[in-house]
Amino acid sequence: GESVGLHLPTLSVQEGDNSIINCAYSNSASDYFIWYKQESGKGPQFIIDIRSNMDKRQGQRVTVLLNKTVKHLSLQIAATQPGDSAVYFCAENNAGNMLTFGGGTRLMVKP
Amino acid sequence: DGGITQSPKYLFRKEGQNVTLSCEQNLNHDAMYWYRQDPGQGLRLIYYSQIVNDFQKGDIAEGYSVSREKKESFPLTVTSAQKNPTAFYLCASTNPGLAGYNEQFFGPGTRLTVL
Repeated sequence: GESVGLHLPTLSVQEGDNSIINCAYSNSASDYFIWYKQESGKGPQFIIDIRSNMDKRQGQRVTVLLNKTVKHLSLQIAATQPGDSAVYFCAENNAGNMLTFGGGTRLMVKP
Repeated sequence: DGGITQSPKYLFRKEGQNVTLSCEQNLNHDAMYWYRQDPGQGLRLIYYSQIVNDFQKGDIAEGYSVSREKKESFPLTVTSAQKNPTAFYLCASTNPGLAGYNEQFFGPGTRLTVL
């Protein structure tokens, strides 16, 4: 079946650097994408979302880029901080309010 | 964690026992979901409910049961038929929008361990 996946399972960055987390999706019918952050032992928290009629959306220190041509989604975190250390999931919506989640990328921030 | 609560935070079960995980939301959301998360993996859908008194199986419903008697509550029972129930269980809710897509809000999770 079609699914959402991630290129890198673990990303290690230096504090203050920018982070880029990638996600590939295979369902061209997906029309909405979300990035979640999950800290150890906690539930996922919404970071940012983007609709398929957009290719970029910015939040506070975060930017999501959507490339529908190659079915690729990325999350950019500016000036990465220790508090950004977590697992990041992308999710796609392609059927009403059903989400399909990727496997997650662990971001480790080195002080 | 928003307006979704899950209890208990930690749960231990002996083999052969049924256990029920609680999920309550005060967000007035119509749709609620249960996911299972295994170490180092993503979320897999167990059951979902789009409206009171109605629910549907997700991708891994075998060995689980749910009810939706009230809008704010969506308890999950892990039965003895679930062969490998040790996992982190997450509840989520959302309100269907006119455009058909909305973020899901997650609870803090319940970690179930079978002894």
